[in-house]
Amino acid sequence: GESVGLHLPTLSVQEGDNSIINCAYSNSASDYFIWYKQESGKGPQFIIDIRSNMDKRQGQRVTVLLNKTVKHLSLQIAATQPGDSAVYFCAEIGGATNKLIFGTGTLLAVQP
Amino acid sequence: SQTIHQWPATLVQPVGSPLSLECTVEGTSNPNLYWYRQAAGRGLQLLFYSVGIGQISSEVPQNLSASRPQDRQFILSSKKLLLSDSGFYLCAWSATREQAFFGQGTRLTVV
Repeated sequence: GESVGLHLPTLSVQEGDNSIINCAYSNSASDYFIWYKQESGKGPQFIIDIRSNMDKRQGQRVTVLLNKTVKHLSLQIAATQPGDSAVYFCAEIGGATNKLIFGTGTLLAVQP
Repeated sequence: SQTIHQWPATLVQPVGSPLSLECTVEGTSNPNLYWYRQAAGRGLQLLFYSVGIGQISSEVPQNLSASRPQDRQFILSSKKLLLSDSGFYLCAWSATREQAFFGQGTRLTVV
C-alpha cells in the first residue's frame, strides 16, 4: 500500500559505483510495475517498466528485477553518475482496477 | 505525440479561498487521468482517478474534489482551502495498464 507519510530513505553511493534501489509491494494481483525518477520540483519521469510475466528487463544502464514470490522489485543503475541523483519511485498497477499506486520512494545521492 | 499541460506552476492562496487547478492532455483519447499530491520529502498520494468523462474515483477523504468535464480535461477544486492542503500537486495520464505521464506539477502554498 501507500506509505506517503514516511520520510524518504536515502541511498548514498560513489560516482561510478552501481546502485541498487529496492521496493516492496503488497498487492499480489499487481501485474505491471514501473520505476520513475523525480528531480526536485519536477514531475516523475519514466525510467523502465516490467510486466509480471517477466523477472528481468534491461535498459540503458538500468535493470529492473521482479521477484513475485516475495513481492519485491529492484532497480539497478550501472556506473552511477551525478545526474542520477534524484528520488526514485516504484509504482504498480493491477487487480480489479487500473490505478497507478506509488511506493515510498528512495533518495539517491551520488557522491563525486 | 501526446502532451500533458498542468497550470499554474506555483500558487499562493489564503486559507478559506477556493482552488481550481486544471490539467489537459493532447494527442490521445479516453485517457486514464490522475491527481496526486506530494508533501515535501514524501511520496505520491493518489487523490483522484478517472477512467472517463464524469467518472471520478476519490481515493482519500479530504477537502478537495475533482471533475472531468471533457475527455482530456481534469480539474482539481476546493471550495475553501486549508493550511494542510499545501503541497505539490501532480496530474498524470495513462492508457489502460500502461505507464503514466506526468505534468510538471503545481506548487500550492496556503497561507
